[in-house]
Amino acid sequence: GAVVSQHPSWVICKSGTSVKIECRSLDFQATTMFWYRQFPKQSLMLMATSNEGSKATYEQGVEKDKFLINHASLTLSTLTVTSAHPEDSSFYICSARDRGRGREIGELFFGEGSRLTVL
Amino acid sequence: EDKVVQSPLSLVVHEGDTVTLNCSYEVTNFRSLLWYKQEKKAPTFLFMLTSSGIEKKSGRLSSILDKKELFSILNITATQTGDSAVYLCAVEYGNTGKLIFGQGTTLQVKP
Repeated sequence: GAVVSQHPSWVICKSGTSVKIECRSLDFQATTMFWYRQFPKQSLMLMATSNEGSKATYEQGVEKDKFLINHASLTLSTLTVTSAHPEDSSFYICSARDRGRGREIGELFFGEGSRLTVL
Repeated sequence: EDKVVQSPLSLVVHEGDTVTLNCSYEVTNFRSLLWYKQEKKAPTFLFMLTSSGIEKKSGRLSSILDKKELFSILNITATQTGDSAVYLCAVEYGNTGKLIFGQGTTLQVKP
């Protein structure tokens, strides 16, 4: 079963509203989670690294005031797209690192993704 | 600039064919190379490669890494329609767990 859960899977919102996406690690503690964005027919692009108990680290070109990340607990990170616009429509995916599982069986797990459509 | 390049970008084959997908990279502080299969939603993990020349195998899929020439291949033998997907190659760099993804190879297997 899934070890990283994202919610919601789909969201449609009006331009100017804010949308929150949750990413939960289900059976492990994740001190670090990653948020990716994927536009149609393109690959995943890392947006930011979410660190439990501290500020997120954003990749170049990603507006931190627009994409608010909160990692308040060891099992939950949230991404809030503030004042969303149509160009923010994309597939947002989180991943979490389970250090306890060790490297050889793939320690990075992805959530199911959240498809955002801004009208 | 760090980059991961996959080829071909798309491929159409018939069931039973064997395919080879390529991934080359230029990444500082290389840590591992990962292959994922993406169908409609999030990627699912296939392989993680850290050492050169050691083939990893799972059923009809296998993969190998060449750290000298900076590339990896993913082989799928006796392809089935269920193998149709986008195959993503990603390189983990540093000790942060960050990944750089290639553009992906879209594989379509026809009956």
